[in-house]
Amino acid sequence: DTAVSQTPKYLVTQMGNDKSIKCEQNLGHDTMYWYKQDSKKFLKIMFSYNNKELIINETVPNRFSPKSPDKAHLNLHINSLELGDSAVYFCASSQIPGLFGYTFGSGTRLTVV
Amino acid sequence: QKEVEQNSGPLSVPEGAIASLNCTYSDRGSQSFFWYRQYSGKSPELIMSIYSNGDKEDGRFTAQLNKASQYVSLLIRDSQPSDSATYLCAVNINQAGTALIFGKGTTLSVSS
Repeated sequence: DTAVSQTPKYLVTQMGNDKSIKCEQNLGHDTMYWYKQDSKKFLKIMFSYNNKELIINETVPNRFSPKSPDKAHLNLHINSLELGDSAVYFCASSQIPGLFGYTFGSGTRLTVV
Repeated sequence: QKEVEQNSGPLSVPEGAIASLNCTYSDRGSQSFFWYRQYSGKSPELIMSIYSNGDKEDGRFTAQLNKASQYVSLLIRDSQPSDSATYLCAVNINQAGTALIFGKGTTLSVSS
C-alpha cells in the first residue's frame, strides 16, 4: 500500500495550458505539503496544509492554487503554464514534522513545452 | 531568509572509505535536523534525524550536531557504491506552521 501517492507521475503539456496534480496519503497525517524541485535538485516549499487549512503559502505565483478537500488529499492546480514551471513536484505528509520529518510521494515530473 | 547551506559536490570517495557531508543553517531557533538520501529519479527518503548536540549513530551512518556553530554533518562509514546519491540536509522552521527547509544537496559518488 503506497503511503503517499501522486498522480500523474509524468506530465508533458504546452505553455498556457492548465493542469492538476493529485496527492493522497493513507498515513493518517494531519499535515501535507507541496515542494518544487528544480533541475539543480533544490527542494523549495510551496504550500503547507494542516487538516485542510492553509498554513504556509510561500512566494509562489498565484497561478498555483492548492486545494485540500480533506486531510488525506492535497491537490495542486496550475493555470497558464510557463516554461519555468518545468520541475519535479513532490507531495509530502507528516504527523509531527519537527519530530518525524516527512514521507514523500514519488513525485510528478512536469515538462512544459 | 532562513537558509540551509551544503556543498554541492560531487564528493568522490573510494569504496570502504568514510564519506563526510556537511551542512550549516541560519536559523538559531531550529530544533530538528534531518538527512535525506535521494537517488536519481526517486523521491527523498529519510535516513537520519538528530535533535540534540553530539553524535547519533545508526548502522554505518552517524549524524553530528553542533547548535552553537549551527552545523550538522553526516558520516557514512564503509561507503558502498549503493550509497552513491544526493544527500539533502533539512532543518525545521516554525513560521505559523512547522515545515522543513532543505539544502541544495551534496552528490556523493562511491567508486568500487
